[in-house]
Amino acid sequence: GENVEQHPSTLSVQEGDSAVIKCTYSDSASNYFPWYKQELGKRPQLIIDIRSNVGEKKDQRIAVTLNKTAKHFSLHITETQPEDSAVYFCAASDSGGSNYKLTFGKGTLLTVNP
Amino acid sequence: KAGVTQTPRYLIKTRGQQVTLSCSPISGHRSVSWYQQTPGQGLQFLFEYFSETQRNKGNFPGRFSGRQFSNSRSEMNVSTLELGDSALYLCASSLDRVSLYSPLHFGNGTRLTVT
Repeated sequence: GENVEQHPSTLSVQEGDSAVIKCTYSDSASNYFPWYKQELGKRPQLIIDIRSNVGEKKDQRIAVTLNKTAKHFSLHITETQPEDSAVYFCAASDSGGSNYKLTFGKGTLLTVNP
Repeated sequence: KAGVTQTPRYLIKTRGQQVTLSCSPISGHRSVSWYQQTPGQGLQFLFEYFSETQRNKGNFPGRFSGRQFSNSRSEMNVSTLELGDSALYLCASSLDRVSLYSPLHFGNGTRLTVT
């Protein structure tokens, strides 16, 4: 089955700096890669996703890049703000066949220091 | 639209007991999936239900089971509770099958503590 590794497990940055979180996946058939943000005590929420036919996607201060050959994808947050502090989860999914499921990484705790 | 609703929010049970958790998806969503969240382990997939049928199951023992009703509401049951079952159980609904580019919408979870 799919295996998703996420690094780092914790990340501390100064407000205004950039943050990068990286994930690798094992199943070359995976073709959908969402990122979820979970603030303390709250539910995970989708912040951005990318499909395998796209190499990069941006939404304001966040962007995701995908390298299918290397089987890794990354979340980039620019001009970080204290409200970006949260746990971020990457996930990979195979939309082919009948065994659909999302496999999540173990999460990255991002702390943005004012 | 109302979001995904999970009940109860908190549960305290004793080893050996069983528990049932409930999830009401967003109106119109047909897929419900369940995840176990523990510190350091991220979100581990339990199972997915679509059209009242279990479509996929994660690597959890048979003590974990679930079902989905015709109105898409879902329940998850854990029998013979163990201390290691203590976790936050999250339910997520999506318009279509999980991973058909259909975003998951999570509930606030049920915090289960087994003593």
